[in-house]
Parts: sequence; C-alpha cells; structure tokens
Amino acid sequence: SAVISQKPSRDICQRGTSLTIQCQVDSQVTMMFWYRQQPGQSLTLIATANQGSEATYESGFVIDKFPISRPNLTFSTLTVSNMSPEDSSIYLCSVEESVGGELFFGEGSRLTVL
Amino acid sequence: GENVEQHPSTLSVQEGDSAVIKCTYSDSASNYFPWYKQELGKRPQLIIDIRSNVGEKKDQRIAVTLNKTAKHFSLHITETQPEDSAVYFCAASDNNNDMRFGAGTRLTVKP
Repeated sequence: SAVISQKPSRDICQRGTSLTIQCQVDSQVTMMFWYRQQPGQSLTLIATANQGSEATYESGFVIDKFPISRPNLTFSTLTVSNMSPEDSSIYLCSVEESVGGELFFGEGSRLTVL
Repeated sequence: GENVEQHPSTLSVQEGDSAVIKCTYSDSASNYFPWYKQELGKRPQLIIDIRSNVGEKKDQRIAVTLNKTAKHFSLHITETQPEDSAVYFCAASDNNNDMRFGAGTRLTVKP
C-alpha cells in the first residue's frame, strides 16, 4: 500500500495569511485527492489533483481559495489562501493506487486559524 | 452527484455484542462501497469493502452486505471489543473516482 507523507502535521496561523500543505507519496499514482475534515465531521472532497493539468474542484471550493499543484506523479500541494477561523480543519491528502479502488490517506494537517 | 447517508450517528454497545451501521446511496452508477475506521487523531483506514457484483463479504468479525436494488449497504461487527471503538465511515464511488463519504458513526464499546 502507498505510504503518504504530509507536512506540516499541524500549524497555527493568523487570519489573512496563507499556508501550503505538501503531500509526498512513495510511489507513482495517477489519482491524488484533497479532503477536508472539520472537527467531528465527515470527509469532504475539495478537489482532485491532476498531473499536468488544473485541479478539478468540487462544488463549494474554488481555485482562488484552494490552489493546488501537481507537478509529478508523487507530489502535490494544497494552499489555503487568505485564511479565516472557518478554515480551521484537518486537511487530508489521499491517493488511489488503482482506478475505482481503495483510498489511502495521509496523516492529515491540522490547521488552526486565529 | 452521489449522496451517502449513514445511521446511526452514535452507537454504544456492550463488549461482546454486535454492532450494525447502515448506509444508503443515491447514485445507481456507484459500484464500490468501502468502510473506513478512524481512531481518535488518526487517519481513516480501510477495514472492508464490497463491489456491486457481490452481495456479502466477510473478514473475521467484520462483514458487509449490499442491496443494490434498495441502494443500501451495512457494516456488521460481531463480538465487539473495546478496541473497536472509533468513528466508522461508509463511502460510495463509481468509476469516475468520485468517492463520497457518509457522516460517520461514533461507536463506543463498553467493557
């Protein structure tokens, strides 16, 4: 199974600033996803990170707020821009090793915005 | 798009009893139904999954059943142990890699 490293694991940020979360996978994967998990809530898909093209965003999420990079098949970044306290959440990177199969998750990045 | 509903939101059982969590989905194109367990402060991890060409799957104390006609699937845990205490998420996806999660069930197993 894929080994996924995410950093930072946690951060405390000031309102109005931006933070970039990195996701590194130990093998090449086609599909990488970014999820948000607000305290005590479920997993909500933010976007699919496509290698070589723009990310595909879900309803309610926009590129200006959550820009994503996917420079190669093992790495992706998610930036949370112009943060507000409502952005306080855990952000999880996930990968799919085979089409329509199991999702593997990183440990998550716990973001607190003051 | 797909909508997954999960019940109950919390479930408390005595050690040794069985626990059942139920989910329904809306998109008839969904064909993959995983269950994830998330312990406090940890990442979600797959515990069992089922595909639409199968009605039931079992792995030791854990089983999943699927009713495609009714669009619902269930997780069954038998002989529950305190270490089964966690939040469990069901999910559904189709071949477009669009996995949607249920709201989660917080299971507490009392010793």
